[in-house]
Amino acid sequence: SQTIHQWPATLVQPVGSPLSLECTVEGTSNPNLYWYRQAAGRGLQLLFYSVGIGQISSEVPQNLSASRPQDRQFILSSKKLLLSDSGFYLCASARGSGEQYFGPGTRLTVT
Amino acid sequence: QKEVEQNSGPLSVPEGAIASLNCTYSDRGSQSFFWYRQYSGKSPELIMFIYSNGDKEDGRFTAQLNKASQYVSLLIRDSQPSDSATYLCAVNPFSGGYNKLIFGAGTRLAVHP
Repeated sequence: SQTIHQWPATLVQPVGSPLSLECTVEGTSNPNLYWYRQAAGRGLQLLFYSVGIGQISSEVPQNLSASRPQDRQFILSSKKLLLSDSGFYLCASARGSGEQYFGPGTRLTVT
Repeated sequence: QKEVEQNSGPLSVPEGAIASLNCTYSDRGSQSFFWYRQYSGKSPELIMFIYSNGDKEDGRFTAQLNKASQYVSLLIRDSQPSDSATYLCAVNPFSGGYNKLIFGAGTRLAVHP
């Protein structure tokens, strides 16, 4: 079975600072990878997904970007954080029949 | 706009009772359906998935799908306080591709002793 790692677990960053969140997957190859954001008390918002190295699709226009430099590595970045970027960021991996499995998440607070 | 609707709750049930969680979806061509459990402060955990009309049982959990009514539900038998969580319904729409899921906002379940 696959294991999804995310770091850091929590992050407090000032407005205007850069961001880099990392997700790595073990136990599978060539997965589809996803970044979601969950605002407090809200549902999951799909931000980006990737079907392979270097292939990124964006779901929501924003000041965030994503990259997939290796098969099992997915990175979420920002050059300048906004207050509205606060939330719980989740990386997910999927194969085969489409079930998505989530990592432990990164809780980001922008101050 | 593809949508997945859930009652936000809270749904309060006594310990030992059956909890019934419901979800409707707008895309008639949707092919696969998932239920996730999310404890407060934690990431979602997949507990059930269903692709065909009818019931699918796994331990105390039963997923029910009615594609004609665009309705999927999750039954939890013999509810325990440890089942208290938010339950997210997710749908893979026919045109979604790449196994993209559309999530509902979740139903909060509270099981009281």
